Formats: sequence, C-alpha cells, structure tokens
Amino acid sequence: GDSVTQMEGPVTLSEEAFLTINCTYTATGYPSLFWYVQYPGEGLQLLLKATKADDKGSNKGFEATYRKETTSFHLEKGSVQVSDSAVYFCALSYSNYQLIWGAGTKLIIKP
Amino acid sequence: NAGVTQTPKFRVLKTGQSMTLLCAQDMNHEYMYWYRQDPGMGLRLIHYSVGEGTTAKGEVPDGYNVSRLKKQNFLLGLESAAPSQTSVYFCASSADKYEQYFGPGTRLTVT
Repeated sequence: GDSVTQMEGPVTLSEEAFLTINCTYTATGYPSLFWYVQYPGEGLQLLLKATKADDKGSNKGFEATYRKETTSFHLEKGSVQVSDSAVYFCALSYSNYQLIWGAGTKLIIKP
Repeated sequence: NAGVTQTPKFRVLKTGQSMTLLCAQDMNHEYMYWYRQDPGMGLRLIHYSVGEGTTAKGEVPDGYNVSRLKKQNFLLGLESAAPSQTSVYFCASSADKYEQYFGPGTRLTVT
C-alpha cells in the first residue's frame, strides 16, 4: 500500500544552519504531497504543498520539490531560526481527501 | 472566524468510563476527520465524514463511534475507555483535497 517515510528525529541544529528533512513515499498513482508543521502545544498546519511532478512548494523560507524519479519530497530551508523548532510531517493524498502521514520529525534549533 | 475548535482540551477517565469529544468548524467544510496522535507513530485516522449525516471508518476505528448530525459538528465517542486509548486526539476539516485545518487537540488519559 501507499506509505510515507521520514527521517527519524530529533534533528538538532544551530541557528542559521541549513536544514534538510528527508521524505520518501511509495504510491501506486500520482498523489499530491504536503508538509505540515506542528508547533508545541498546537494542532498541525499546512506548511507547503506540491500537486504534480517537478512542482516546488514554498512558504516561510521552506521549500520542497516533488521528485517523481526518486519518489522524494525533501524539506529544505537555507537558514533556520529558533522559532522553526517544531515537528514536521510529510504526507500524501489522492482525490479521496484522505491523507497518508509520515511519523513526523522533531526539529530542535539551538541559539 | 474561530476555525476548528475542540472540547474539552484535557480529560482524565477511568477504565470503562465513557465520554464524547466535540469538534466544531465554522468554515462550512464538507469533510471532517478524527485522528489520534501517539509518540513515534504520527497521525492515525480514526473516522471521517464526507458530509452531514455520513461517517466512515478510518485506519483505527475500533473502540470509537462518531456522529455528524450537523455539518459544522463532528462528535467522537468512547463507550468504554481503555488505557490503550490514552492519546492526543485531533479533529480536522477540509473543503478540498489540498489542505486540512486542524483543531488544537484534546489530551486524553485513561487510568
């Protein structure tokens, strides 16, 4: 079946470091791909999305490119801040409105 | 615009007790979802609804029941709580396949 695999955390970085959080997927069709973020004590919120191959989603300095050939959707940011500390979830979806979620990656940014 | 709200925020139950979690959304969304979040396991879909008066089972429906009598509300019931149901419960709603809006969560402990 379809699935999403994320790198295990926690990922600990210093402020202004470059961030990559890996996400790969297994899908029988052509899903849309998402990154959601969960700040401490809050619900999840959509960070960015890509709906077809080679699309790049971007928001708040974060980027991810839908790579069909490597079935990947890695999250990147050039210079992280302490306020980026959160749990990041990769997910995929088809037209049935249900999301298939990765396990989440906790990001800790130290000043 | 409150978005998605959940009541209560915290609850402690004894094994065998029952309770209902309430989710309300004011965005006129057709689709609503109940998830549970456990450490290291990401989000798992319990039940979902594609419109008023409809419900369907998700990945982990056993031990839970739901109702969607009004479009804006989605109730999650536990008839006989078990320690395995200790978790954080999130409600979400969506109008399209690209974004789900989440509530702040309910932290439930079953002793």
